[in-house]
Amino acid sequence: GNSVTQMEGPVTLSEEAFLTINCTYTATGYPSLFWYVQYPGEGLQLLLKATKADDKGSNKGFEATYRKETTSFHLEKGSVQVSDSAVYFCALIDQAGTALIFGKGTTLSVSS
Amino acid sequence: DTEVTQTPKHLVMGMTNKKSLKCEQHMGHRAMYWYKQKAKKPPELMFVYSYEKLSINESVPSRFSPECPNSSLLNLHLHALQPEDSALYLCASSRRTDLYGYTFGSGTRLTVV
Repeated sequence: GNSVTQMEGPVTLSEEAFLTINCTYTATGYPSLFWYVQYPGEGLQLLLKATKADDKGSNKGFEATYRKETTSFHLEKGSVQVSDSAVYFCALIDQAGTALIFGKGTTLSVSS
Repeated sequence: DTEVTQTPKHLVMGMTNKKSLKCEQHMGHRAMYWYKQKAKKPPELMFVYSYEKLSINESVPSRFSPECPNSSLLNLHLHALQPEDSALYLCASSRRTDLYGYTFGSGTRLTVV
């Protein structure tokens, strides 16, 4: 079946550090891939997406590239801020569009 | 309007109570979803409605009863819940077969006492 695996947290960084959160997936065909962010006490917000191989999603300084050959969609940001502290979920929808499937989430904590 | 609105934001209910959660969207989306999220866990799919018809029920106990009265509204009726049902309940919507992602509401934080 379809699944998403992302690195376990928590990830603790100092402000302005470089961020990478790894995400790999298992799915048949060509799923769409997403990163969602959840701030404390809130719902989920779509951070970025990519719908085909080699697409790069980007938003608010975050980037992720859809790599079909390595079945990966790693999240990166060049310089994190305290306000980026949140839980980040990698997710996919298969080609049938059945339902959004989430990874376990990675907690990011950024200190000043 | 690009939002999914959920009410109430917080709900405390006893195990013998009956309550309902409400979700509303005006984006013309024809698929709507209920997810349950426990602390420090990813959201888990409960129900999917497509064109106001229930298309997926992920083996959810019958004490949770979904309802989709029209294309903009989704309800979740709660009855005889258990303390372990305490969680954040998230509603989402999308175009029917949407490879471009879902729009989530901010959730209802439910506590069963």
